[in-house]
Amino acid sequence: GAGVSQSPSNKVTEKGKDVELRCDPISGHTALYWYRQRLGQGLEFLIYFQGNSAPDKSGLPSDRFSAERTGESVSTLTIQRTQQEDSAVYLCASSSFGTNYNEQFFGPGTRLTVL
Amino acid sequence: AQSVTQLDSQVPVFEEAPVELRCNYSSSVSVYLFWYVQYPNQGLQLLLKYLSGSTLVESINGFEAEFNKSQTSFHLRKPSVHISDTAEYFCAVIQGGSEKLVFGKGTKLTVNP
Repeated sequence: GAGVSQSPSNKVTEKGKDVELRCDPISGHTALYWYRQRLGQGLEFLIYFQGNSAPDKSGLPSDRFSAERTGESVSTLTIQRTQQEDSAVYLCASSSFGTNYNEQFFGPGTRLTVL
Repeated sequence: AQSVTQLDSQVPVFEEAPVELRCNYSSSVSVYLFWYVQYPNQGLQLLLKYLSGSTLVESINGFEAEFNKSQTSFHLRKPSVHISDTAEYFCAVIQGGSEKLVFGKGTKLTVNP
C-alpha cells in the first residue's frame, strides 16, 4: 500500500459505548504507534508496538484504552465505555526499525466524537 | 520528562514576508528534532529533521531550521512565504533510545495575500 491507512475516518458515538479504531501500517514496517490529538493540543503518545508486542504503553490514559496488533500488520485501538473527554483525532504512524531513528509516517487519522 | 514548547499558537503573515516559528525543548541530551506540517484536511507530513551533523537543516520547499544546543531551540524559518504554506506546523523531539515522539501544541501559520 502507498501509506498508512486508518478506518473509520470519522466516528460519532454515544457516551458509554465501546469503539474500535483500525490502523493499517505501511507494508514491511515493524514499528507502529498510536497518538491522540485533542482540540487545541499537540499530539499525545499513547502506545508503541514493535512487531506484535508493545514495549511502551505508557501513554494509555486509562484502563478503558487497549490496543493490539496481529501478524505484525493491522492494529486496533479499543476504547471501552467512551467518555466525552475521549473526543479527539486518533493518529496512527508506522516506521521501519533500525539502529538510528527512522521516520514515522502518519495516517490521516480517525476523528472520534463522543456525544 | 521531555517537553516541547511552541510559544506561538497562531502566526498570520503576508505573502512573501519572512517567518519564524519558534520551538524550544526541555533537554538537549541526545535528541533528534523534527518539524511536521499538517496542511488543511491532510495528514501529518515530515518537513525536516535534525539527527546529527550540520546544525542547519533544510526542506525541499525552502524552510530551514537550526539546532541550537545551548538554547535548546529548533526554530523554523522561511525567508519568503507563499499562500500554499498555510498549514499547522508541529515541532517534535525524540530522545535517543526512545521510540516516543513528543510534540509541541502546534503553530497555525496563515499566509494572507
